[in-house]
Amino acid sequence: NAGVTQTPKFRILKIGQSMTLQCTQDMNHNYMYWYRQDPGMGLKLIYYSVGAGITDKGEVPNGYNVSRSTTEDFPLRLELAAPSQTSVYFCAVGDTQYFGPGTRLTVL
Amino acid sequence: DQQVKQNSPSLSVQEGRISILNCDYTNSMFDYFLWYKKYPAEGPTFLISISSIKDKNEDGRFTVFLNKSAKHLSLHIVPSQPGDSAVYFCAASFGDMRFGAGTRLTVKP
Repeated sequence: NAGVTQTPKFRILKIGQSMTLQCTQDMNHNYMYWYRQDPGMGLKLIYYSVGAGITDKGEVPNGYNVSRSTTEDFPLRLELAAPSQTSVYFCAVGDTQYFGPGTRLTVL
Repeated sequence: DQQVKQNSPSLSVQEGRISILNCDYTNSMFDYFLWYKKYPAEGPTFLISISSIKDKNEDGRFTVFLNKSAKHLSLHIVPSQPGDSAVYFCAASFGDMRFGAGTRLTVKP
């Protein structure tokens, strides 16, 4: 029972590149979330999903896209990476938000 | 627009004493409040929560107090242990979740 897994753990992107951050859960929970945490700041909600096929914007959605085709997976897509997207990204599952270990992304 | 604020970036206490972490919020629509603990290079871990219909919730060494009129909540850890040293985030929810910036707690042996 892995809970919430995120890949990759680390990634360096060049400006304008694209990538997908993966989040997979084995908790069979409908609710999934993506957050970013900047240094010295709290977590900010990017997107969330209340079930397969349903997604909605959070506090800071610009520059990101998500999809939810299955209960287990909730990938986060960056289409044109910018330095402002340098952050640690956390995926969370469930009402009390069981968090994954995070992906540290640097955009240079 | 920071709706959830943790005004103390750090707190240091002696082992065995009480740790009190504070959190203020501005949006009266929040109806559920949570505390998380975070170690370096890990995701936050849920600690304890409280609904807006209560003013206290206790779980072992951890107690959360909610003062709705003051829009203030606090987390008490008694007794504090060195393993409690971490960053603590408060969060408030009325649908989506808003987090404070965190307080780094250091418990000295």
